[in-house]
Amino acid sequence: DQQVKQNSPSLSVQEGRISILNCDYTNSMFDYFLWYKKYPAEGPTFLISISSIKDKNEDGRFTVFLNKSAKHLSLHIVPSQPGDSAVYFCAAKGSSGTYKYIFGTGTRLKVLA
Amino acid sequence: AAGVIQSPRHLIKEKRETATLKCYPIPRHDTVYWYQQGPGQDPQFLISFYEKMQSDKGSIPDRFSAQQFSDYHSELNMSSLELGDSALYFCASRSLGQSGELFFGEGSRLTVL
Repeated sequence: DQQVKQNSPSLSVQEGRISILNCDYTNSMFDYFLWYKKYPAEGPTFLISISSIKDKNEDGRFTVFLNKSAKHLSLHIVPSQPGDSAVYFCAAKGSSGTYKYIFGTGTRLKVLA
Repeated sequence: AAGVIQSPRHLIKEKRETATLKCYPIPRHDTVYWYQQGPGQDPQFLISFYEKMQSDKGSIPDRFSAQQFSDYHSELNMSSLELGDSALYFCASRSLGQSGELFFGEGSRLTVL
């Protein structure tokens, strides 16, 4: 039972264009969402997060959008750079009382120079 | 800034042997998480500790055990190793009183022959 899903296993984008990575979840009790970037043989690196009380959070080139009614979040990277090429995981955390963070299956982003 | 330290980075064991992985969280972080990532898979939550007590449990096999010590470091003990235990094991930490981001270590790669 995959509570956090990233339906696109891979994505290729031209340098300078926008990258949009999508994530869907099933558990309406999730109240905090995060995006991580992972290079091979390294640990996931935190990128950006959003609380369920917001619908948008922006940090430099990275913006996360949350649509609670659709149980959907997305990560926008603008402009995309070759160094952004990595696997991106979205993660969700339940409301107070649980410590678990559930990860999605990941999307491999390739930014073409 | 100090990060999450995991040791060893690489470990090779034979079937039915025992392995111990160590995790040193970021200073002043009181919560530690263990994740297992198999090849091509998303990180699977194993177990977490808050203030030296188990706070949540995921898909951790009965052959595995973990604990958090008084200095907040954590150890994951794996016994009767199976080929399927070969994976990257990530430790992550956070400060429960602060923002919700998890900070990951570089991971420990376990290979069971």
